[in-house]
Amino acid sequence: ETGVTQSPTHLIKTRGQQVTLRCSSQSGHNTVSWYQQALGQGPQFIFQYYREEENGRGNFPPRFSGLQFPNYSSELNVNALELDDSALYLCASSLTSGRFGQETQYFGPGTRLLVL
Amino acid sequence: GQSLEQPSEVTAVEGAIVQINCTYQTSGFYGLSWYQQHDGGAPTFLSYNALDGLEETGRFSSFLSRSDSYGYLLLQELQMKDSASYFCAVIGDNTNAGKSTFGDGTTLTVKP
Repeated sequence: ETGVTQSPTHLIKTRGQQVTLRCSSQSGHNTVSWYQQALGQGPQFIFQYYREEENGRGNFPPRFSGLQFPNYSSELNVNALELDDSALYLCASSLTSGRFGQETQYFGPGTRLLVL
Repeated sequence: GQSLEQPSEVTAVEGAIVQINCTYQTSGFYGLSWYQQHDGGAPTFLSYNALDGLEETGRFSSFLSRSDSYGYLLLQELQMKDSASYFCAVIGDNTNAGKSTFGDGTTLTVKP
């Protein structure tokens, strides 16, 4: 196991609702990235947080937002849910240092979101 | 931007060796990672190349050549449990604002 945890494991929402997903990083890691993975596709990068600041963002609308807390845990918030938001949401933690940059990422088990 | 290409499917027999290639286009990245994902599960880290050359971890090895924009994952002594999807991924450096990009995955089927 990676030490990265996510909650909840499964979630069912209706279109237009809002959802908050949570992630606890692996001990010693200071960077969290969030991904959306639709069935049969690779993970799509949503955004990354480093030291509580957004450090990069993929092609997702502003209704996808996030937070990183001082203990490096993180939240992903999605407003105005759409049917296409149904997917597996993954967080990955990693260590970013001045010397080596960002090292490899370790994934949590994911939250499976179904929007009806 | 960043993009990665890998074969969509590979089939091999138990005990054999298989190589999954990954070519990429990126303006800057820290390293190339490989992940395994079984149906319904989360990606599991397999190997990471920050520098050119070969990294070996048990039955799995990974290779990176930055000059050729190319890497591969080598799986030896294939077992039935190795049937899964395999993804290559680059972690973008500061020129790519920390963006990480995954390939679309290679489905490996191991037959008896």
